[in-house]
Amino acid sequence: NAGVTQTPKFQVLKTGQSMTLQCAQDMNHEYMSWYRQDPGMGLRLIHYSVGAGITDQGEVPNGYNVSRSTTEDFPLRLLSAAPSQTSVYFCASSYSSNRGHNSPLHFGNGTRLTVT
Amino acid sequence: QQQVKQSPQSLIVQKGGISIINCAYENTAFDYFPWYQQFPGKGPALLIAIRPDVSEKKEGRFTISFNKSAKQFSLHIMDSQPGDSATYFCAANPHTGTASKLTFGTGTRLQVTL
Repeated sequence: NAGVTQTPKFQVLKTGQSMTLQCAQDMNHEYMSWYRQDPGMGLRLIHYSVGAGITDQGEVPNGYNVSRSTTEDFPLRLLSAAPSQTSVYFCASSYSSNRGHNSPLHFGNGTRLTVT
Repeated sequence: QQQVKQSPQSLIVQKGGISIINCAYENTAFDYFPWYQQFPGKGPALLIAIRPDVSEKKEGRFTISFNKSAKQFSLHIMDSQPGDSATYFCAANPHTGTASKLTFGTGTRLQVTL
């Protein structure tokens, strides 16, 4: 059982370049989300999805796009990278609230992105 | 704005001591309060969680204390061990089960020395 898998683990981009951070989960979780982690700022929600075909913005969505075409995959796209997007990005998943209990978030091991 | 305030930013505790991390929140709609533990190079993982209908929850050496009237909750690690050295995040959730929209604190880096 792989859990939440993120690729790549490390990435260096130049300002203005685009890229996609991949996230896949094999737990049949309905909810998936993307967080960024910056020193002194904790984890901030970028985008989330409550199911295939449904996405919504979190706290810091600007500069990022997402899509959810399948239950398993939730890629994060940077359209034009900026130095302010240098961060560690975490993908997470959980069961939905329809399960009747608070389902814990399962995190991947992160992608460390540097934009020069 | 920071909806969940966490302190201290860093903490050094001797082996066998008690580690205490505090969090405060503003949003009275929050009704689920988990703590996550993160080791270097890894993603956070759920450690322990509490609902506001109880004032304390204990799991092994880890205890959450919750004060609803003060809108504060804290994590106590008893008999702290070097293996507990990690970053700890408190979090809060406004709706039962919607874990994907957790609001996190800024984190506390704990170092347990020998």
